Amino acid sequence: AQSVAQPEDQVNVAEGNPLTVKCTYSVSGNPYLFWYVQYPNRGLQFLLKYITGDNLVKGSYGFEAEFNKSQTSFHLKKPSALVSDSALYFCAVRLYILTGGGNKLTFGTGTQLKVEL
Amino acid sequence: DVKVTQSSRYLVKRTGEKVFLECVQDMDHENMFWYRQDPGLGLRLIYFSYDVKMKEKGDIPEGYSVSREKKERFSLILESASTNQTSMYLCASSLGTGGTDTQYFGPGTRLTVL
Repeated sequence: AQSVAQPEDQVNVAEGNPLTVKCTYSVSGNPYLFWYVQYPNRGLQFLLKYITGDNLVKGSYGFEAEFNKSQTSFHLKKPSALVSDSALYFCAVRLYILTGGGNKLTFGTGTQLKVEL
Repeated sequence: DVKVTQSSRYLVKRTGEKVFLECVQDMDHENMFWYRQDPGLGLRLIYFSYDVKMKEKGDIPEGYSVSREKKERFSLILESASTNQTSMYLCASSLGTGGTDTQYFGPGTRLTVL
């Protein structure tokens, strides 16, 4: 079974400060990890993904995430937060299964990011 | 850009009604998915389809069925809507080349069952 944990329901950051949104995963095998963002009353937008290779992944809107295998984490980061970054962020994991249609994503419960002036 | 559209943004139905939620993607994607999103629970997979007329149950299929008659269209059906099916429903699609696929989401349908 695969699972994802986002330990913080909400993260508050001042504009201009660095932000981190935490994600840890549990999967038996090599994980594929994703971050999505959801703005109010909108669907999810893809931010970035880790498949293999460099542990630091860069994505849209200045976001990046670091894959840490020993800590089973994939934290989302941004050096300088903007008020417009305020949104709901989801981490997701997939274990590629060769048989059937097994490419299922398992999502975390989401972290609400609030960036204030 | 990939575009995934859903037939309604907001829907209000009565208990016992049959409800159809439609999803269309315009990028010739093989895989399509239906999720429901509830506060504190994140997204949970209801059904997915990896080919026309093919479907597989996700984590919470009870009370739902799906139909995929054409590659671009994936329908979610609530045979007899109940109040505990009040939720945000999100459709997604992906290319289907393997586990590294990115899923692209529609804007969602907020369904209220009275």
